[in-house]
Amino acid sequence: AQKITQTQPGMFVQEKEAVTLDCTYDTSDPSYGLFWYKQPSSGEMIFLIYQGSYDQQNATEGRYSLNFQKARKSANLVISASQLGDSAMYFCAILEYGNKLVFGAGTILRVKS
Amino acid sequence: NAGVTQTPKFQVLKTGQSMTLQCAQDMNHEYMSWYRQDPGMGLRLIHYSVGAGITDQGEVPNGYNVSRSTTEDFPLRLLSAAPSQTSVYFCASSRGTGGSKSYEQYFGPGTRLTVT
Repeated sequence: AQKITQTQPGMFVQEKEAVTLDCTYDTSDPSYGLFWYKQPSSGEMIFLIYQGSYDQQNATEGRYSLNFQKARKSANLVISASQLGDSAMYFCAILEYGNKLVFGAGTILRVKS
Repeated sequence: NAGVTQTPKFQVLKTGQSMTLQCAQDMNHEYMSWYRQDPGMGLRLIHYSVGAGITDQGEVPNGYNVSRSTTEDFPLRLLSAAPSQTSVYFCASSRGTGGSKSYEQYFGPGTRLTVT
């Protein structure tokens, strides 16, 4: 069963505008965590943001925020004031026992100047 | 701290050859994992370990072996390479359960493997 679904294979955004990348998840565990990673063309995996299932407030890290809607099982990433350097592949992932990550297929984001 | 290191960075193998991808971390992390990333896809878990001497299979374990004799090292062995194992391999580590940010995963830079 698909645990992480990212329905947007590719997205375009104008520089300085905000963009939302969608992620829905499927789990029966009461305790879980959700991650977003950025993978630029150079290939490394860069941690962006984390949301625990019991966290009361939506996570924020600088220009990144996570729109966490537990009842809808969605954890969308919002990037404010997009920059050219934000062009990359973005992965949503859910944390399972053993600190194992299950990744979605990813969304390619292109920022236009 | 060097973080998570992986060697080699690139490797070309012929079908049927064997090799070991090395992964080491110097953060005293209990949990370590191996993932593979095929073109246009997310990472998929191959094997993982929750401590020295303890390993288990992930989503795509066939054709790979692991062992964890020390906390620092978690090598991945390809027994008889096949073209389907052409991929980028990532090793990751995390502190484990309990404590602030114990969930945080640290990724190595990856090994790009081509099997011809």
